[in-house]
Amino acid sequence: DARVTQTPRHKVTEMGQEVTMRCQPILGHNTVFWYRQTMMQGLELLAYFRNRAPLDDSGMPKDRFSAEMPDATLATLKIQPSEPRDSAVYFCASGFPTGGGAEETQYFGPGTRLLVL
Amino acid sequence: AQSVTQLGSHVSVSEGALVLLRCNYSSSVPPYLFWYVQYPNQGLQLLLKYTSAATLVKGINGFEAEFKKSETSFHLTKPSAHMSDAAEYFCAVTLNSGNTPLVFGKGTRLSVIA
Repeated sequence: DARVTQTPRHKVTEMGQEVTMRCQPILGHNTVFWYRQTMMQGLELLAYFRNRAPLDDSGMPKDRFSAEMPDATLATLKIQPSEPRDSAVYFCASGFPTGGGAEETQYFGPGTRLLVL
Repeated sequence: AQSVTQLGSHVSVSEGALVLLRCNYSSSVPPYLFWYVQYPNQGLQLLLKYTSAATLVKGINGFEAEFKKSETSFHLTKPSAHMSDAAEYFCAVTLNSGNTPLVFGKGTRLSVIA
């Protein structure tokens, strides 16, 4: 049963600390998305990659957030320095584009619940 | 830019009753539409999707949705609610094929009363 995995599942940190979240996409998927879920904003895209190259990171605060894919099996999202307003659930999703609409599913991980004090 | 509106942040139904969750989209071109379900403290799970094939789409757990272009709607229904259907439901849209980012609605929390 292929799944997207995310670590850590929960993170409590203090303002100013660095936070690193990791995602392992489903093997064979070449598209990875980072979404953030908050009560106020709902689910919003932070960044996404295809074949490890960033295609859109316009949703990320550039001064403190960074996203990378060191290899095809790992995506990372870093916040430095973290702020209380970054408290949210961060979801990673992966998929594989077929171009014909037959398979447009994004598979979501369980999320990282971040609390910045 | 595309957008999704989900009418009703909270819907409550009795067990065995019809479930109707509303979703309207805004798009200048034919969209791809999705319904996802989120159980507490879990990720999102795909219920069903419309990708320009049949307008009536059947999904998992007895849910279905109908794409109505004239009404720009993609409402989710289930004939008979079960207690296990209690969750948050999200409608989402993307304009492009090839697995591009989704734009989500605000979500509708479904409660099922015994």
